[in-house]
Parts: sequence; structure tokens; C-alpha cells
Amino acid sequence: GDSVTQMEGPVTLSEEAFLTINCTYTATGYPSLFWYVQYPGEGLQLLLKATKADDKGSNKGFEATYRKETTSFHLEKGSVQVSDSAVYFCALSDPGANSKLTFGKGITLSVRP
Amino acid sequence: KAGVTQTPRYLIKTRGQQVTLSCSPISGHRSVSWYQQTPGQGLQFLFEYFSETQRNKGNFPGRFSGRQFSNSRSEMNVSTLELGDSALYLCASSLAADNSYGYTFGSGTRLTVV
Repeated sequence: GDSVTQMEGPVTLSEEAFLTINCTYTATGYPSLFWYVQYPGEGLQLLLKATKADDKGSNKGFEATYRKETTSFHLEKGSVQVSDSAVYFCALSDPGANSKLTFGKGITLSVRP
Repeated sequence: KAGVTQTPRYLIKTRGQQVTLSCSPISGHRSVSWYQQTPGQGLQFLFEYFSETQRNKGNFPGRFSGRQFSNSRSEMNVSTLELGDSALYLCASSLAADNSYGYTFGSGTRLTVV
């Protein structure tokens, strides 16, 4: 079945540091890929998405590229801010499963001033 | 425009009781999905509705059920509550029948079973 694997956390960085959060996936079809972010006490917010190989999703300084050859969708940001502290989830949607999202376990990012 | 609205935000129930959670999707969105979030299992898919039809169901016992009304509002019901049902229940809506636009999530209903 479909699965998403995220790197183990938590991750603690200093403000303005470079961020990489690894995400790899297994899917039976040709999935769409997503990054969601969850701030404390809130639901999930869509951060960015990509629907085909080599697509780059970007939003708020975050980027991720759909790499079909390595089945990966790593999240990057050049300079993190304290306000980026949150839990980040990688997810996929397999076209054969209608709109079901399969999530990774999530990783907590803490950014120190 | 209004986002996805879930009510209530917090709920405390006793083991054996039943509970109904409500979700109002973004206006015009016809697809509604439900997810359970727990520290141990993470985010798990419950079910998805499109135009009042359940299109997809996750691996949960029959105590978990849902429905969607003609105005796209959705409810989920959990009967004979167990302690392990304590979780954040998230509802998400989407404009498209597939997932090409992504899902917009509500803030969730925090259910505590005592």
C-alpha cells in the first residue's frame, strides 16, 4: 500500500539557518505530493504541492521538488524564522484512491531566536 | 471567505457513550474527508464523501460512521466510545473530485473519552 516516510525529529535550528526535511514515498500509482504544516492548537494548512515529476512547489520561502527517480519530496527553506516553528507533514494522494491523503508521521521544528 | 468549520471544538464523553461531530466545508466544496490524529498513530484517514456518497473508507471499526448532506455539510458519529477514541478529529474539504487542488482542513474537534 501507499506510505510516506519522514526523517525522525524533532529538529531544532537557530533563526536564519537552512532547513531540510526529508520525505520519501511508496505509491502504487502516480501520486500528487503535499507538505502540510500544523501550528499549535490548529488544524493542517497546505504549505505546497506538486502533481507531477520535476514539479517544484513553493510557498512562503519553502520549496520542494517532486523527484520520481528517488521517490522523494524533500522540504527546504533557505532561512528559517521563529514563526516557522510548527509540525510539518509530508503527504501523498494516489489517484487510484480518490482523494485519500496518506501522511507521514510529522516532524516538529523549533526555531530559536 | 469562510474556511472549514468544525463543531464543537472540544468534547468530553464517557466510555460507552456516542458522539456526533459536525463539519461545514468551504462554500462550493463538494468533497469532505475526515481524519483522526493521535500522538501514537499520527494522521489516519477515516472516510471521504463526495456529493453525499461515501467514496472511500479507512481501516476503522464499524463504530465510526459518517454522512454528507445535500448542502455538503458532513457529520461523523462514533458509537460505544472507547478510551482509545480520544483524538483530534479533522475534517477537510476540497473543490475537486480528485485531489488536484489539495484539501483545506478545519481546526478540528478535540474528543476526550474518560
